[in-house]
Order: sequence, then structure tokens, then C-alpha cells
Amino acid sequence: DTGVSQNPRHKITKRGQNVTFRCDPISEHNRLYWYRQTLGQGPEFLTYFQNEAQLEKSRLLSDRFSAERPKGSFSTLEIQRTEQGDSAMYLCASSPPGDQRTDTQYFGPGTRLTVL
Amino acid sequence: QKEVEQDPGPLSVPEGAIVSLNCTYSNSAFQYFMWYRQYSRKGPELLMYTYSSGNKEDGRFTAQVDKSSKYISLFIRDSQPSDSATYLCAMRGYGQNFVFGPGTRLSVLP
Repeated sequence: DTGVSQNPRHKITKRGQNVTFRCDPISEHNRLYWYRQTLGQGPEFLTYFQNEAQLEKSRLLSDRFSAERPKGSFSTLEIQRTEQGDSAMYLCASSPPGDQRTDTQYFGPGTRLTVL
Repeated sequence: QKEVEQDPGPLSVPEGAIVSLNCTYSNSAFQYFMWYRQYSRKGPELLMYTYSSGNKEDGRFTAQVDKSSKYISLFIRDSQPSDSATYLCAMRGYGQNFVFGPGTRLSVLP
């Protein structure tokens, strides 16, 4: 299966701990997105990378969140000093290069974070 | 008021029915409109993609965009039990900040 993969699939942590999630996009997809989804809501945009450059970041994103894509391939999302409100599904999506008017995002299965 | 509104449902229909799903939005800068399907415990899957106003058809699915009314629709013809899922509308302007609606849960009963 060459779809978007995310690890871990589940993470339980205590409040105040740091967590890091990994996303491996589809090979040769240069665009990568992170979203957060809570129960009964649609995905909420967090940040966007084109290759290794982080080009967009949600204004609502706390400074405790940081994302990287150092070599333009896999990406990591780190949450520092986790809070109970951070409990959610964190989704990663990737898109191939080309005409951005016809972009298709391919989503991974997500990482479910529970902060106790 | 949220940027994108969507009736959360649940919406239950008999197999074979025509389903109409709708979203309204407030940001006139949105230019690109999408519909995603999300099964339980899975990531969303793109169904339809439309640029600006107009209609687009793909198999049993038809997407409509009315920018003057800030209203988009997805129609599903001959609905099947396998169509049971949450349907999310999404949209963006010229950036890559996609805004999703909260989703409508659909159940198609055999």
C-alpha cells in the first residue's frame, strides 16, 4: 500500500508531556498538510508544506505546536506541554505537484491523541 | 458564526433514494469547493472538486456551486448502503488553507 502513512496510530499521554507524530506522504507528493479533527467536526487546517518550506500556518495554532519537513519527504508534528484540549485526531494529507486548481488531497488514517 | 455551516444530520434514507447534502459559507474569497466522504476511523476521501460556480457530474454524484448565494450542494443518485458515511464539504481561496464543514452523517438503509 503506497498511501499516506501516519505513526503512531494512537498516543496516550499525560498533560504537560511533549508528543511527536510522523507523516509519510505518498512518494513524490511535494505538498503536505496537517489537520486536527475532533469528534463531530470537520478537519481543521493546521499547516501546509510545499517541499521543505512551511508556507502556511493557521493563525489559531498555538505556539506549542510546531511542524517540520526537513528534506521535503516525511513530516513531523510536535506538541509541547500537551493540554487536555489537544485530544483529537491529527490527520496528514499529501498532494502531487501540478496545477493547484485541481489539487487532490490524499489523507492518512490519522493519529489519535488522548491527553489525560 | 462559523465560516462553513453544514447540517450535521444524521440523515437516513432508503436505498435508491436521491440524497441532497448542502453547505453554506460566509467567506466570499472561497474559490475552490470540494466534497469529501469519511468512513468511521478513516481519513477523508475526495469525491468532487469544483472551481467557482457551476455544476459538475461524476457517475452518481453531482456537485453544484452557487457563489452568489454562498451555497454548495452534493447530490447522490441511486444511493447505496455503501454510501453510508460522513460527508464533508471543504473550500478554500487562493491559499492552501482548506476550511471544512462539520460534516453530515448519512445512513442509507437497505
